[in-house]
Amino acid sequence: QVRLQESGPGLVRPSQTLSLTCSISGVSVNIGGDYWSWIRQSAGKGLEWIGRVYGTGTAESNPSLESRVSLSLDTSSNKLSLTLTSVTAADTAVYYCARDHYGGLPSPGYHFDVWGQGVLVTVSS
Amino acid sequence: DIEMTQSPSSLSASVGDRVTITCRASQTIGPYLNWYQQRQGKAPRLLIYATSGLQSGVPSRFSGSASGTDFTLTISSLQPEDYGTYYCQQSYFPPRTFGQGTKVEI
Repeated sequence: QVRLQESGPGLVRPSQTLSLTCSISGVSVNIGGDYWSWIRQSAGKGLEWIGRVYGTGTAESNPSLESRVSLSLDTSSNKLSLTLTSVTAADTAVYYCARDHYGGLPSPGYHFDVWGQGVLVTVSS
Repeated sequence: DIEMTQSPSSLSASVGDRVTITCRASQTIGPYLNWYQQRQGKAPRLLIYATSGLQSGVPSRFSGSASGTDFTLTISSLQPEDYGTYYCQQSYFPPRTFGQGTKVEI
C-alpha cells in the first residue's frame, strides 16, 4: 500500500524559505510511470497545484510559482522535497504531496490517487 | 490556465436523494477530468478519474459523465457519509487546475 507523509516546520517567517519533505513508502519512486506532486490548499485560493517530479528527476511547476519553487526527488531515500523561497502570508496553506498516477487505456490521463495527510504551514513574523 | 467552474457552490440534500454537481472547463480538455471528495480536516480522496472511471473502493453510487466541456458528478442515492466538499480537476494541460468546490450538506 502506497503511503505519503509530509513533514516540515509549521511556521516560516516572511521572506524566508519554506522547505518540506514527503516520505513515500510502499513503492519505489523510480519505477513506473508516475509523477510525484505538491498541492496546496488555502482559504483564499482553494486547491493549487505547485508542481511535480518524475522518477528521472524531470520536474515541472506551476508558472505562477515557478520563479520561487524547487522540486526534487531522492530515489535512494524515496523522498520528495519542496523548496519555496521568499514566502509571504499568501503562502500560508496546507501543503499536500500526492501521487500523480497515469491511468492508461481505456482511461488515459493523470490523476492524484494517493495523498498525504497534509501539513499546515503558516507564514508569519 | 484552464479555468474550472463548478456549480452549485453548495447544496443541501436528504439521504436517498439524487445529487448532481457540474464542472465546466474554459476550453476543451477531452476526457481528462477527475473528481475528488474532501471531508473537513482531511486530504482529498479520488472518486472518479478520466471523466467516468470509478476509483477502486469508491461506491458505485458515484458516477461521472461529460458533454463537451461540461462534466457531471452524480451521486445516485445520497448517503450520510457523502457529506463534504467535492472538487473537479483537469489533467489535460499543465498547470493542473481545480474547481472552486461544491459543499454538500446532508
